[in-house]
Amino acid sequence: TQLLEQSPQFLSIQEGENLTVYCNSSSVFSSLQWYRQEPGEGPVLLVTVVTGGEVKKLKRLTFQFGDARKDSSLHITAAQPGDTGLYLCAGAEYNFNKFYFGSGTKLNVKP
Amino acid sequence: DAGVTQSPTHLIKTRGQQVTLRCSPKSGHDTVSWYQQALGQGPQFIFQYYEEEERQRGNFPDRFSGHQFPNYSSELNVNALLLGDSALYLCASSLWEGRGYTFGSGTRLTVV
Repeated sequence: TQLLEQSPQFLSIQEGENLTVYCNSSSVFSSLQWYRQEPGEGPVLLVTVVTGGEVKKLKRLTFQFGDARKDSSLHITAAQPGDTGLYLCAGAEYNFNKFYFGSGTKLNVKP
Repeated sequence: DAGVTQSPTHLIKTRGQQVTLRCSPKSGHDTVSWYQQALGQGPQFIFQYYEEEERQRGNFPDRFSGHQFPNYSSELNVNALLLGDSALYLCASSLWEGRGYTFGSGTRLTVV
């Protein structure tokens, strides 16, 4: 049973399109993180959000933490083939160092 | 770059055998967490070590055990391997008081 549900599971889009990936839970998290993982590699941390309603921007990526700290979204503007990968969200309930991961959104950006 | 180093990168074992995976954390990090990632799934928390003690554990059987050494490096041991143990095993290091992991590239374990 996944504590965090991610949607969609798979996404295939053309270069230049926008997309949003969602991460939802019934649990409240003290912090939530987004990672990107490429085949054969470990996940790489993109961002950490800790405050309800917080919005963080990383170039073309915008991350939002829900007001109730139960959900989050990742929006990518003008997607590029280099954005292709598995996007994982991970939440920590009350201990900063134990994170539960969602099953990920596999993104494919076609040139 | 003193990132997280895992060894070996790939491993093939037979059912019933035992395996030991190794992890050297990022320089300056004192906490090591181990995750199992099955194909097409997100990582599942196995356990976490800090100050050479297991601090937290996920829903994994006792066949999964670990150790942390004084230099913060860690080992994951799996006994009586099952076919279902085939997965990518990820080591993540962090600061006990910090947020966010640095992951290694993982060990791909195949049980045949």
